[in-house]
Amino acid sequence: GESVGLHLPTLSVQEGDNSIINCAYSNSASDYFIWYKQESGKGPQFIIDIRSNMDKRQGQRVTVLLNKTVKHLSLQIAATQPGDSAVYFCARGGNKLTFGTGTQLKVEL
Amino acid sequence: DAGVIQSPRHEVTEMGQEVTLRCKPISGHNSLFWYRQTMMRGLELLIYFNNNVPIDDSGMPEDRFSAKMPNASFSTLKIQPSEPRDSAVYFCASSIAGGLTDTQYFGPGTRLTVL
Repeated sequence: GESVGLHLPTLSVQEGDNSIINCAYSNSASDYFIWYKQESGKGPQFIIDIRSNMDKRQGQRVTVLLNKTVKHLSLQIAATQPGDSAVYFCARGGNKLTFGTGTQLKVEL
Repeated sequence: DAGVIQSPRHEVTEMGQEVTLRCKPISGHNSLFWYRQTMMRGLELLIYFNNNVPIDDSGMPEDRFSAKMPNASFSTLKIQPSEPRDSAVYFCASSIAGGLTDTQYFGPGTRLTVL
């Protein structure tokens, strides 16, 4: 069956450092993925997406890399800030979003 | 735009009572989704609508759960009777057309506690 998941439940980084959050998937009929950020007490918020015809996509301070060969994608956050503290989910796109388990990013001052 | 609006934000009820959660999607969005989030199971899609019509309700746990969308600007998720295991955060999301690459925008959620 299809699944999507994350490697680490918690990631701690120093403020100003770069963060890398990983996600693996299997048997996906859809090579379209989205990263969501969920802050405490709030709903998931769209960060960035990537489609199967791309290997890399950049946004403001964020970069998503997609490796279809090994079925892996990552979210890189440059110069991590305290406001980046949240749970990050990768989701496989489509009419039915399938969410991974999430990684809690903690930014240490 | 006000975004997706959900009410109530918090609901505490006793086992056996009926619970109704409400959602107003973003104006102009034609697809609406109900999700449930728990520590054990993460985010799960319960049901989604396109143009007010339920398309896939395979995620609805059991007959105690029902969802309606009487018009383009309003949807309800009802649990009757409620049970303690229904305690979770319920999110509503909407997208323009529900297509493969349409971004879903989430509401703030309703935290339900069933005692």
